[in-house]
Amino acid sequence: DGGITQSPKYLFRKEGQNVTLSCEQNLNHDAMYWYRQDPGQGLRLIYYSQIVNDFQKGDIAEGYSVSREKKESFPLTVTSAQKNPTAFYLCASRKTGVYEQYFGPGTRLTVT
Amino acid sequence: SQQGEEDPQALSIQEGENATMNCSYKTSINNLQWYRQNSGRGLVHLILIRSNEREKHSGRLRVTLDTSKKSSSLLITASRAADTASYFCATETKTSGSRLTFGEGTQLTVNP
Repeated sequence: DGGITQSPKYLFRKEGQNVTLSCEQNLNHDAMYWYRQDPGQGLRLIYYSQIVNDFQKGDIAEGYSVSREKKESFPLTVTSAQKNPTAFYLCASRKTGVYEQYFGPGTRLTVT
Repeated sequence: SQQGEEDPQALSIQEGENATMNCSYKTSINNLQWYRQNSGRGLVHLILIRSNEREKHSGRLRVTLDTSKKSSSLLITASRAADTASYFCATETKTSGSRLTFGEGTQLTVNP
């Protein structure tokens, strides 16, 4: 099956700990994106990458970091510097020349 | 910054009725897309309309775009209980590259 996988579905961490969210795609898409969604709200862009070994900050990059060492993978690290990390995190990808984005199922992160 | 704003925030209708959701945006766009999100899941792309198009259909979906008013509407005809979800508009602007900016969404409830 082709698609985007995010793991785990639910993640719990203590305040002060870094945590890495996984995003893998086998769609051969060049671009990948990370979004944050808070309850009852739309998506806000954290980071995106249009090609391997390159990525750009989105609108709310502070407290987050990413890497893009492989085309298939775009992990997101939520660092202890992120003030309000509890949220629903969505990963997406997009094929070059095609406008629509394909989304993974999301990871719900709870930090206490 | 909030590029897309949607109204209503919530809409409740009976099965068989039509549902209309509206989206307004601020800056010139290349295209506008509509996505659907079932509770706690990832987004699914529904339909895209380009800036030089005024209306587009896909099954029970009809999208209109008025670039002079910087607004779009999504009409779902003959709604079903399975249409219950959140619906988001997303815009790609002339300067945003492959980035999308999402509105805050309309929560649609279709009562059987």
